[in-house]
Order: sequence, then structure tokens, then C-alpha cells
Amino acid sequence: DGGITQSPKYLFRKEGQNVTLSCEQNLNHDAMYWYRQDPGQGLRLIYYSQIVNDFQKGDIAEGYSVSREKKESFPLTVTSAQKNPTAFYLCASSMDRYSGNTIYFGEGSWLTVV
Amino acid sequence: AQTVTQSQPEMSVQEAETVTLSCTYDTSESDYYLFWYKQPPSRQMILVIRQEAYKQQNATENRFSVNFQKAAKSFSLKISDSQLGDAAMYFCAYRPWMDSSYKLIFGSGTRLLVRP
Repeated sequence: DGGITQSPKYLFRKEGQNVTLSCEQNLNHDAMYWYRQDPGQGLRLIYYSQIVNDFQKGDIAEGYSVSREKKESFPLTVTSAQKNPTAFYLCASSMDRYSGNTIYFGEGSWLTVV
Repeated sequence: AQTVTQSQPEMSVQEAETVTLSCTYDTSESDYYLFWYKQPPSRQMILVIRQEAYKQQNATENRFSVNFQKAAKSFSLKISDSQLGDAAMYFCAYRPWMDSSYKLIFGSGTRLLVRP
């Protein structure tokens, strides 16, 4: 089945550690996104990528990094510089960069700092 | 900057009845897209309905319909014949036509409770 796969579903991070969240899509979409959701709030954009080997910062990129080496993959690294990383992270994709195309979401990953 | 406001943190509806969720947005753009997403307890964001701003006709998808008032910058979602499976968080989202990030701007959400 086509879709967006995020892993792991749950992840625990110790203080000072970097962790990487995986996002893979088999929809042949050009554009991919990472959003963060905090309890009781909407989603905020962390990073986005419109094509391979290119990505741009979103509204809350500090403390995060990404790569886009393959069209189907857009991993997110939460670095130790992110002071409050506990949140729900959603990966998304759309066919291309045109704004009329619907953005589809993965099932999300929970990150907790212990 | 564009903003999306959902003024109802929580709404409740009796099963089989109709409920309307409100959404207003602020933009200086004339062309854009609007979306309603549903987030059930599983937390996955599921597209419910979308509306192109250049279309005057309100979008409908089975039991879901919108009331799009462009001049008032209002985009409400009506759910008819509510079902227990409709219980979820509902997010209104705006996407500009011409924006280099092509990102979605979300409201804070409305939690919908469905009473059996």
C-alpha cells in the first residue's frame, strides 16, 4: 500500500543525546515536511524539502536538522540544542511544490526526554 | 502573516445530529486553499475536505460540508448525521497560493465529542 511510514512510533531521549526520526514515503511525492505538535496545539512546521538535496527551514527549525538524499526519505534529527523536544512529530508529503496539492501525513512519532 | 483561528476548543454533539465547527483566518492573499483535517486518538492527520478560494461553490464530501465565506474569511465545517467515529480533534488549515514554503498553517483545533 502507498503511504508515509514513520519510525519509531515511540522514542525516548536522554539529555544531551541526538536522536533521528525516520520518514519514508512510497507515493512518489517530491515535497516532504516535518511538523511538530505540542499538547492542545496545532502543528508547526520544522523543515520542508521540495526536491532531493534541497531543504528549507520552517518556523521552528532551531535544534533540528534534516537531510534529503533520496526522494522517498526525509529523516529528522533532534539535536541536543533543542531545549524542549518532548512532542509529537508528524512527517508529511505532497505531490509537488504547488500549493494546490493536498499534504498527506504519516502516523507520527512520539519523542519524550527522560 | 497569515493566521488561522478556531474559537471553539471543544464541541459536543448527539449521535445522528448535526454540528458546525468554526474557523476564521486572516490573509491579504486572494488565492489560497483551505482544509479541514481530522485527528483521531491514533494521532494521524486525515484530510476531511478542501476548498479552493477561487471556487464559490462550497465543497462537500459525503456527510461533511463547508460554508466558505471569502469576504468574511470564514470557513466552517458542518458534520451531518454525526457518528461515534467522528469523535476527534479537527484542525482548520490554510495554504497560500504563492508561498515558497507551500506550508500549511493550522489553527489550534476543536475537540469534537459525540454522545451516544
